[in-house]
Amino acid sequence: DTAVSQTPKYLVTQMGNDKSIKCEQNLGHDTMYWYKQDSKKFLKIMFSYNNKELIINETVPNRFSPKSPDKAHLNLHINSLELGDSAVYFCASSQAGGNYNEQFFGPGTRLTVL
Amino acid sequence: AQSVTQLDSQVPVFEEAPVELRCNYSSSVSVYLFWYVQYPNQGLQLLLKYLSGSTLVKGINGFEAEFNKSQTSFHLRKPSVHISDTAEYFCAVGLYNQGGKLIFGQGTELSVKP
Repeated sequence: DTAVSQTPKYLVTQMGNDKSIKCEQNLGHDTMYWYKQDSKKFLKIMFSYNNKELIINETVPNRFSPKSPDKAHLNLHINSLELGDSAVYFCASSQAGGNYNEQFFGPGTRLTVL
Repeated sequence: AQSVTQLDSQVPVFEEAPVELRCNYSSSVSVYLFWYVQYPNQGLQLLLKYLSGSTLVKGINGFEAEFNKSQTSFHLRKPSVHISDTAEYFCAVGLYNQGGKLIFGQGTELSVKP
């Protein structure tokens, strides 16, 4: 059973397009996150939701809009894609927003913008 | 501002040799410390974490880390590595009351050779 799943695994698209990445967790966790990993493997948090409520929004362009229909899902919608958006995007979840809880990561979505 | 520095971007080592991956952090507030591992084309997996108490922390797969508050370090060690330990290793700090936000280091690529 997959704990944190993401779809699609690979996403290749043209500049200017709008795309979405879906994330689901079956761990019963309250908090979900989106991270971006660049080509140098540097990981940076983008968003965090706790029980469908946004709690972290890290200076991310407003072209990126997370949506949490319920606490098991956190989707990432990206408008007007740019070359610099090419990266691997990871979804994660944890039991609560406390810093001491292990975050469980999905397998990642490799986004390539041409 | 908080930051995490992993002092080695790449560490090549022979199988069954000991290894140390170095991590230093900077923070004006109390932090929690984590080591995550990323195997090729996969998401991150928690190796170990330090919250409080004993400064020597044992994790999965025979890894351990020692928290040194005076040197603001959290180095990861394994006495004898295997080929299967080849992966990217990330040190991270979690900030108290920051909604689960993790700040990652740049990663260290451990390459175990036969």
